[in-house]
Amino acid sequence: TQLLEQSPQFLSIQEGENLTVYCNSSSVFSSLQWYRQEPGEGPVLLVTVVTGGEVKKLKRLTFQFGDARKDSSLHITAAQPGDTGLYLCAGARSGNTPLVFGKGTRLSVIA
Amino acid sequence: KAGVTQTPRYLIKTRGQQVTLSCSPISGHRSVSWYQQTPGQGLQFLFEYFSETQRNKGNFPGRFSGRQFSNSRSEMNVSTLELGDSALYLCASRQVGLSYEQYFGPGTRLTVT
Repeated sequence: TQLLEQSPQFLSIQEGENLTVYCNSSSVFSSLQWYRQEPGEGPVLLVTVVTGGEVKKLKRLTFQFGDARKDSSLHITAAQPGDTGLYLCAGARSGNTPLVFGKGTRLSVIA
Repeated sequence: KAGVTQTPRYLIKTRGQQVTLSCSPISGHRSVSWYQQTPGQGLQFLFEYFSETQRNKGNFPGRFSGRQFSNSRSEMNVSTLELGDSALYLCASRQVGLSYEQYFGPGTRLTVT
């Protein structure tokens, strides 16, 4: 059973479009991270959210942590080809337990 | 600060052989975790080391082992390689604290033939 479910699995959009990626769980997390991974490279940390209801913005990317700390979303405004990659969410139940990763959303932005 | 480094970046081995992968964490990071990434299973946690002690272990067979040295550098070893061990092996380091922010290395691509 996958503890963190990400949707959609694949997304192909045109440059300039908006999109939202979801990360859902039935478990509560003390913190949740979003990473972006490009082919042949390791994931790069984009953001960490720790407070229920928290919203963080990183340029055109908006991250939200659910009020109950069980889910999160990533919204990209006016997507660009440089946004192409695998987006992974990962949750920590506590500071001492391993991170649990979703299987990722593979985004392709076509110019 | 230099990022997490992993060596080698690519490796081809034959079934039955063993392999050792190396990871140097970000300076000051005492926790090192290892993950296996495959297209079908995604990122799966192998183990975490902190101050030379294994802190957490994932659900992998005993063929997978690791260790951490006093300078926080870590190695993982896979013995009796199987075809299914072909994967990207990722190492991540972090400062132990309230927020579980990990920083990943570029990975070692292992191919078992």
